[in-house]
Amino acid sequence: GIQVEQSPPDLILQEGANSTLRCNFSDSVNNLQWFHQNPWGQLINLFYIPSGTKQNGRLSATTVATERYSLLYISSSQTTDSGVYFCAVEGYGNNRLAFGKGNQVVVIP
Amino acid sequence: DVKVTQSSRYLVKRTGEKVFLECVQDMDHENMFWYRQDPGLGLRLIYFSYDVKMKEKGDIPEGYSVSREKKERFSLILESASTNQTSMYLCASSSPGFSGANVLTFGAGSRLTVL
Repeated sequence: GIQVEQSPPDLILQEGANSTLRCNFSDSVNNLQWFHQNPWGQLINLFYIPSGTKQNGRLSATTVATERYSLLYISSSQTTDSGVYFCAVEGYGNNRLAFGKGNQVVVIP
Repeated sequence: DVKVTQSSRYLVKRTGEKVFLECVQDMDHENMFWYRQDPGLGLRLIYFSYDVKMKEKGDIPEGYSVSREKKERFSLILESASTNQTSMYLCASSSPGFSGANVLTFGAGSRLTVL
């Protein structure tokens, strides 16, 4: 199946700092999503972004499908950004999302 | 907003017990999924369903079964719970919609401990 690798696995940020999370995948995809899991375990969909760039407030994401990677940018980080960020992809004809192991982000005040 | 509700937030069961995890969604989504999440392993797909009474195995179906008798409800069943099934279980639903893609909405999760 399709492989998903996320880096860095762990990240500690000072409040106000910017950061970039990376997701590499091993095959062409027709679906890519970024999720944030808060410390209580709830997963929230941040972006559906199989290609191109999207922005939502302090978060933005870019997927370069031809080079098989996606980036999630967090600007002016806040303590509420802490948690685990997951990238999930679906290959053509696969009908299921494969998840990476996540980026654990801790934002300290 | 789509709401996905998992019946139990925390459960403690004994080895050998039969365990039911219930998931209900309220937006008429066709697709429903069960994942388990373990530290360092991310989310792994157990079973999914694209229609009532339909089910397909995911990547780790062993030791689990599912039931989808109604469109809004997808149940995960552990016939005889074992300690290695101690985990966080996450239910999700989706509808292909405009994009044709599965954009998932997750429930809050059920943390199961098997003693």
